[in-house]
Amino acid sequence: DARVTQTPRHKVTEMGQEVTMRCQPILGHNTVFWYRQTMMQGLELLAYFRNRAPLDDSGMPKDRFSAEMPDATLATLKIQPSEPRDSAVYFCASGLVLSRGRGNTEAFFGQGTRLTVV
Amino acid sequence: AQSVTQLGSHVSVSEGALVLLRCNYSSSVPPYLFWYVQYPNQGLQLLLKYTSAATLVKGINGFEAEFKKSETSFHLTKPSAHMSDAAEYFCAVTKDTGRRALTFGSGTRLQVQP
Repeated sequence: DARVTQTPRHKVTEMGQEVTMRCQPILGHNTVFWYRQTMMQGLELLAYFRNRAPLDDSGMPKDRFSAEMPDATLATLKIQPSEPRDSAVYFCASGLVLSRGRGNTEAFFGQGTRLTVV
Repeated sequence: AQSVTQLGSHVSVSEGALVLLRCNYSSSVPPYLFWYVQYPNQGLQLLLKYTSAATLVKGINGFEAEFKKSETSFHLTKPSAHMSDAAEYFCAVTKDTGRRALTFGSGTRLQVQP
């Protein structure tokens, strides 16, 4: 059963600490998205990658957030230093996008990492 | 730029009643439209998607949605609500350029009363 796997599921950390969230996309998918969900802002796109290259990270606070794909099976989202306002659920999603559009899939979401910064 | 507006942050229906969740979109190009469902402490699961084929789209769990260009709407319906349908529902849009990053609406929480 192919699924997007996110670790950890829950993270509580103190303000100022570094936080790393990990995502394993579905095997064969070439596009990875990071979303943040909060009560106030809803679901916001932070960044996304295609074939491991960042295509758009305009939704991400650049001073403290960074997203990378060290390889095709791992995407990471780091926050350093973390702040209480970063408390949210962070979702990773993956999909397949082909140049001609045929065979494209929708985005499949992981179960999220619930981050609490105290 | 694309956007979606979901009318009604909370909808309550009785079990067995019609479910209607509203979504209007704004897009400068023909859109791809999606409905996702989120159960408590879970990720988002695709219910259905519109990709410019049939305007009436059938999804999982008995849901369907109709794309109406004249009304710029993509409302989600289900003829008979079940208790297990209680969840949050998100409408989302993307444009047909291969970008594929979704823009989500604010969500509608569906309550089903026994």
